[in-house]
Amino acid sequence: NAGVTQTPKFQVLKTGQSMTLQCAQDMNHEYMSWYRQDPGMGLRLIHYSVGAGITDQGEVPNGYNVSRSTTEDFPLRLLSAAPSQTSVYFCASSRDRISYEQYFGPGTRLTVT
Amino acid sequence: AQSVSQHNHHVILSEAASLELGCNYSYGGTVNLFWYVQYPGQHLQLLLKYFSGDPLVKGIKGFEAEFIKSKFSFNLRKPSVQWSDTAEYFCAVNARSSNTGKLIFGQGTTLQVKP
Repeated sequence: NAGVTQTPKFQVLKTGQSMTLQCAQDMNHEYMSWYRQDPGMGLRLIHYSVGAGITDQGEVPNGYNVSRSTTEDFPLRLLSAAPSQTSVYFCASSRDRISYEQYFGPGTRLTVT
Repeated sequence: AQSVSQHNHHVILSEAASLELGCNYSYGGTVNLFWYVQYPGQHLQLLLKYFSGDPLVKGIKGFEAEFIKSKFSFNLRKPSVQWSDTAEYFCAVNARSSNTGKLIFGQGTTLQVKP
């Protein structure tokens, strides 16, 4: 199993550009989520999904969209990038809401200039 | 709202020293508790978790943590650290009643172990 994969690893955007961060898992996990990691602030939940077709907002959803059309994929879309979205983004998945043990991807380092 | 506080932001130890990292959370209901570790250049990995039962839980690589419900704490310990323990450590909490699996993370503690 590849586990949780994320692409790209690095990305530089200009203010106002849009892009999609890809996340995929091959463990048939029901639950997937996106976090951003900023120095001194730990990880903050952006959006999460408890199954295909079901998504909900986390702590810091503004400026981001998600969808979950399949169990495997959970892309994160930045609609109009802003410098405040410069961060490291992690995707995570877990078997279900009950197990709560989340497996993290390698991260995407995004810089918005 | 739930929150998690890690008291030590940056800890520097010599090899073989003992480690204790503090973690407190604010939430009145039943929680699941976790410690994750992020080695330099790597993604987060689960060190240990507490769901119920014995409040002293053992994880990988000799780490353990103790859940003290009355103090809302879940401190991480290791009797003797190694240089390879240099990493960032995150405490995380999930409110069981939320039934969503949402994790709230602390700010993280950077541990530097000197050889």
